[in-house]
Parts: sequence; structure tokens; C-alpha cells
Amino acid sequence: TQLLEQSPQFLSIQEGENLTVYCNSSSVFSSLQWYRQEPGEGPVLLVTVVTGGEVKKLKRLTFQFGDARKDSSLHITAAQPGDTGLYLCAGDRGSGNTPLVFGKGTRLSVIA
Amino acid sequence: GAGVSQTPSNKVTEKGKYVELRCDPISGHTALYWYRQSLGQGPEFLIYFQGTGAADDSGLPNDRFFAVRPEGSVSTLKIQRTERGDSAVYLCASSEGPASGNTIYFGEGSWLTVV
Repeated sequence: TQLLEQSPQFLSIQEGENLTVYCNSSSVFSSLQWYRQEPGEGPVLLVTVVTGGEVKKLKRLTFQFGDARKDSSLHITAAQPGDTGLYLCAGDRGSGNTPLVFGKGTRLSVIA
Repeated sequence: GAGVSQTPSNKVTEKGKYVELRCDPISGHTALYWYRQSLGQGPEFLIYFQGTGAADDSGLPNDRFFAVRPEGSVSTLKIQRTERGDSAVYLCASSEGPASGNTIYFGEGSWLTVV
């Protein structure tokens, strides 16, 4: 059973388009993190959302944490080829020593 | 170095052989994690060290997998009697303290191929 479900699994869009990817769970998390991973590299943290309903912006990326802290979304405005990569969400169950649980990721391809 | 360092970056081994993968975390980071990432999947938790001790090893798939961190810095993931299903990227990560509230930094991974 996958604790965190990410959708879509694959997304291919043209440069300049907007997109939203989703991270859903039936579990409550103390925080959710979004990572971006490029081929041959480890995941790199983009943002951490902590409070239910929280919205964080990172340039053209907007992250939202659901009110119930069970889901999150990542919206990219005017996508660029440099946004291409695997976007992973990871949940922190907040028990101190509990490791992060990752979703399977959304593989984004932005075509020039 | 400034980041998490993993060696080897690539390893090809025959089925049944023994493999060691090394992780050198960011200096001063007390928490160290091992994850495994198969093609098309997200990272899957294996084991977490706080200092020298394994705080959580619930993700190790079976007794062929073992990890140590004897001095609280470098860690080695050991896989005995490798099987083709062990082929994956093995990611190491470290943080200043427990995952909650601390940023986790990943290495580039060790790509293991069992033939």
C-alpha cells in the first residue's frame, strides 16, 4: 500500500504552459516536503509545508498544503525546459525518529 | 566535501556476490538515512541512524541487508548474496538531527546492477 499517491505519474507539456501535480494520502502528516530529482542525482528539497492550508511560493512554483494536512499540490506557472525532472512529495509523520515516506513521483517533461 | 558523498557511483556485480556501499554524510550531521530507489519509483526507506545506533531499521527487506555506522559518521550498507531484484539506486541522506524539522540532504546515489 502506497502511503502517498502522486498524480499524474507522467506529464509532458509545452514550454509556457501551466501545470498542477498532486500528492494525496489518507494519513495526516505533520509536514509535507516537495523534492525535485534530476537523472543521476539525489532528490533536492524545494519546500516544506507545515500548517494546514499553508501556501508557499518559490518563483514560478506554488505549493499548497491541504487543510486537513493529508494532501498537497504543486502548481508551476509558465513551465520552462529547466523544470523537467521527477517531482517527489514526502510526508513526515512527526514522531521524532520516523523517517520520511516518499510518493512515487511525477515525471515532468517540458518541451521547448 | 560539502555534500553527502557516496561510493561507488556505479557497481555491477554477479548474482550471489557480496556488495558494500559507502556513505560519507555532511560533517556534523548526526542523522543518516539509507533509501533504495527502483526505476520509476520514489525512494523507499531502508534504515535510519541517529549517531552510531540504528534508530529504525524497519525498511530493510530481509536479513541479507545490513548497515553499520561505527563512529557516527561514515556508514556502510552491506548486501549479502545479491539477487537481481536488488538492482536499484541506493541513496544515502543526512540531516543535523531527526527528520522532523530538519532538512535532509541526499547524495547522488550508488547505482547497483546485479547480473
